[in-house]
Amino acid sequence: GNSVTQMEGPVTLSEEAFLTINCTYTATGYPSLFWYVQYPGEGLQLLLKATKADDKGSNKGFEATYRKETTSFHLEKGSVQVSDSAVYFCASGGGSYIPTFGRGTSLIVHP
Amino acid sequence: KAGVTQTPRYLIKTRGQQVTLSCSPISGHRSVSWYQQTPGQGLQFLFEYFSETQRNKGNFPGRFSGRQFSNSRSEMNVSTLELGDSALYLCASSLDRDRGTYNEQFFGPGTRLTVL
Repeated sequence: GNSVTQMEGPVTLSEEAFLTINCTYTATGYPSLFWYVQYPGEGLQLLLKATKADDKGSNKGFEATYRKETTSFHLEKGSVQVSDSAVYFCASGGGSYIPTFGRGTSLIVHP
Repeated sequence: KAGVTQTPRYLIKTRGQQVTLSCSPISGHRSVSWYQQTPGQGLQFLFEYFSETQRNKGNFPGRFSGRQFSNSRSEMNVSTLELGDSALYLCASSLDRDRGTYNEQFFGPGTRLTVL
């Protein structure tokens, strides 16, 4: 079946540091790929998405590129802020694909 | 526009009991999906409803069921509760889900179920 694997956390960074959270997927065919963010006590919010190979999703300074050759969708941000502290989920799905989520990666940003 | 609401926010039940959780989607959204979130298994898809019909189902036992009403509100039911059913249950709604495209899902805050 389909699966999504993302790096375990927590990831601890200082403010303005560069962020990378790795995500790889397995799927039959070419699902859409997403990053969601979950703040404490809240549900998930869509952060960005990419629907086909080589697409780059971007939002709020975060970026991720759909890499078919490496089956990856790594999340990056050039300069993190304390307010970015949250749990980040990589996911695949869309269309006829049942949504599949990674385990989540906790990000802690210190001032 | 009001977001996705879930009731109740917290529930405590004992083994063997049953529970019903409720989800009200964003106005105009016709697709409602349910997920179970646990520290051990992460976020797992339960089922999706669209226009009162179950359109997709995850790999959960028959004790987990759901339904959707004509106003798109949805309920999920868990019968004969087990300790392992303790989790955060999340509901998400979207406008529609055409095959081959993706419509953003909007998540509610979840219902925290504890089974003793």
